[in-house]
Amino acid sequence: EEHLVESGGGLVHPGGSLRLSCVASGFDFYIYSMNWVRQAPGKGLEWVSFISGGGGTIYHADSVKGRFTISRDNAKNSLFLQMNSLKDEDTAVYYCARDQSESMDVWGQGTTVTVSS
Amino acid sequence: QSVLTQPPSVSAAPGQRVTISCSGSSSNVGYNYVSWYRQVPGTAPKLLVYANNKRPSGIPDRISGSKSGTTATLDITGLQTGDEADYYCATWDSSLNVELFGGGTKLTVL
Repeated sequence: EEHLVESGGGLVHPGGSLRLSCVASGFDFYIYSMNWVRQAPGKGLEWVSFISGGGGTIYHADSVKGRFTISRDNAKNSLFLQMNSLKDEDTAVYYCARDQSESMDVWGQGTTVTVSS
Repeated sequence: QSVLTQPPSVSAAPGQRVTISCSGSSSNVGYNYVSWYRQVPGTAPKLLVYANNKRPSGIPDRISGSKSGTTATLDITGLQTGDEADYYCATWDSSLNVELFGGGTKLTVL
């Protein structure tokens, strides 16, 4: 069965950094593009970043461009999100999600990031 | 405010039918595939429909999607109390090179 497990969330001060990880199992990770999606408390879903299977194509939402970097290590079946210069408005549950046929068909359980002084 | 517009809430009685719309523009809904997700608060989203009208395995045929021009629609018939959740549409925007989510629709089964 296909699984995604996120980790790395926590409490960080404004201006700080955090690195999220997502480990995949049960499928050929390197074949699939991957996404990060977040959800602020009481709000809707917001797409954050996309990376192709080989890592050659990357997109970021304008709200995180220049501060967040998506990457992957296919040898370790792992997806990452390096988050720098964190702001209060980055507080959210962060999900990794597999990209399939222009949709997101497998989701992790999420990891919570809280940015607060 | 989301680029993709969904009604904030819809409601219907058990056994009835409900439709949720997702309105966009020619660079997103009008050009690319639309997908739909269900999210029970406190849990991860679940894919219901992909490529406008295809269902992943395990999704019952009382759930269906369609698209006409710049508006996509999710249709749920034979409503059950277990359908109560938030529903989101999503699609790629080819002008902005970003994935867009609708603002979400809360479905209440009365």
